Amino acid sequence: GQNIDQPTEMTATEGAIVQINCTYQTSGFNGLFWYQQHAGEAPTFLSYNVLDGLEEKGRFSSFLSRSKGYSYLLLKELQMKDSASYLCAVTDSNYQLIWGAGTKLIIKP
Amino acid sequence: EAQVTQNPRYLITVTGKKLTVTCSQNMNHEYMSWYRQDPGLGLRQIYYSMNVEVTDKGDVPEGYKVSRKEKRNFPLILESPSPNQTSLYFCASSPPRDTPNTGELFFGEGSRLTVL
Repeated sequence: GQNIDQPTEMTATEGAIVQINCTYQTSGFNGLFWYQQHAGEAPTFLSYNVLDGLEEKGRFSSFLSRSKGYSYLLLKELQMKDSASYLCAVTDSNYQLIWGAGTKLIIKP
Repeated sequence: EAQVTQNPRYLITVTGKKLTVTCSQNMNHEYMSWYRQDPGLGLRQIYYSMNVEVTDKGDVPEGYKVSRKEKRNFPLILESPSPNQTSLYFCASSPPRDTPNTGELFFGEGSRLTVL
């Protein structure tokens, strides 16, 4: 079966750096997405990786290793507004999105 | 403004009373999808549509119907709602999902449904 694993919850301190990991086993791979979702709101797009390596976008970076079935989202200079859930999703061989359950990130002052 | 619009945003109904949640997008997207989200379970796909008049079941289609008569609209129909369909529902759209490097999904604001 297809599976995406991410930690359920993480806690970090304002101003610090946090890394949220995602591992996947899917039938085929056509790209990996990270979305941010504040409580009760719609997910919003953060990043997309289809090739190995690091993609940087401001305070957020996303890394992919296809051979290891692994990705991480790196958030720097954490702000209170970064408190949210972070969803990892993989596009499989049929171009359908397989979603992880999400990681709830709690930022403390 | 490019957007996906869902209605209603909040609804409390009773078991067995048919309801429809509408979804409309103004980005001329071919692909549309419905998800439900429950605590601890993440996003689960109910139905999706690759284009007009083409719909397919997702992971949790039981108890739901959809139609795609026009490109912009993709309504979700609950013929006989039950309490286990109490959930937060999201509609989403994107360009065609049939090639690598397919773009991001755009989500509606969500519809919180309670079935008593």
